[in-house]
Amino acid sequence: QKEVEQNSGPLSVPEGAIASLNCTYSDRGSQSFFWYRQYSGKSPELIMFIYSNGDKEDGRFTAQLNKASQYVSLLIRDSQPSDSATYLCAVRGGGSEKLVFGKGTKLTVNP
Amino acid sequence: DTAVSQTPKYLVTQMGNDKSIKCEQNLGHDTMYWYKQDSKKFLKIMFSYNNKELIINETVPNRFSPKSPDKAHLNLHINSLELGDSAVYFCASSQDSQTQYFGPGTRLLVL
Repeated sequence: QKEVEQNSGPLSVPEGAIASLNCTYSDRGSQSFFWYRQYSGKSPELIMFIYSNGDKEDGRFTAQLNKASQYVSLLIRDSQPSDSATYLCAVRGGGSEKLVFGKGTKLTVNP
Repeated sequence: DTAVSQTPKYLVTQMGNDKSIKCEQNLGHDTMYWYKQDSKKFLKIMFSYNNKELIINETVPNRFSPKSPDKAHLNLHINSLELGDSAVYFCASSQDSQTQYFGPGTRLLVL
């Protein structure tokens, strides 16, 4: 069974701090890695995706991938109260349409 | 224009009833999905269609039957509803196995 693990939190950080969200996955053949944000009562929305080892930056968000360690993370710099949401890590295996989601980490950014 | 839309938004029904949820996407994507998100916020794939052809069929009770009349529509029919079917059902679409875009969700409550 292919699994994606996340710390369910809640993770609480002060406004302006860096929030670090982590995810590990079990399938070594995984090719694509996604971070979705889900506000309470809303649908998941894509923040970033990453395919290659290393870092990928987009504004205040940085995704980091280490395939050898089967680890992907999301850093949020200068956290804002509007970043408070549940963050879902999703992994797609090679040649597969299927996304496997983690259970999400709930982030709270305190003003 | 809404990219991925679902109807109804809310559905409250009695155990044993049969109900349908409809999904439409205007993104021109070839692939559509149904996900179930339970009370613990765990998002799990149920079905996926590519150009009207079923490509993912997870371990889901036979009471759930998807139908794709064309590549822009994917409906979900549920027979003999049970209490455990209460959840939020999300439709999503993607093109070429890339980013999945989610609809607003259908909140199903079985009494």
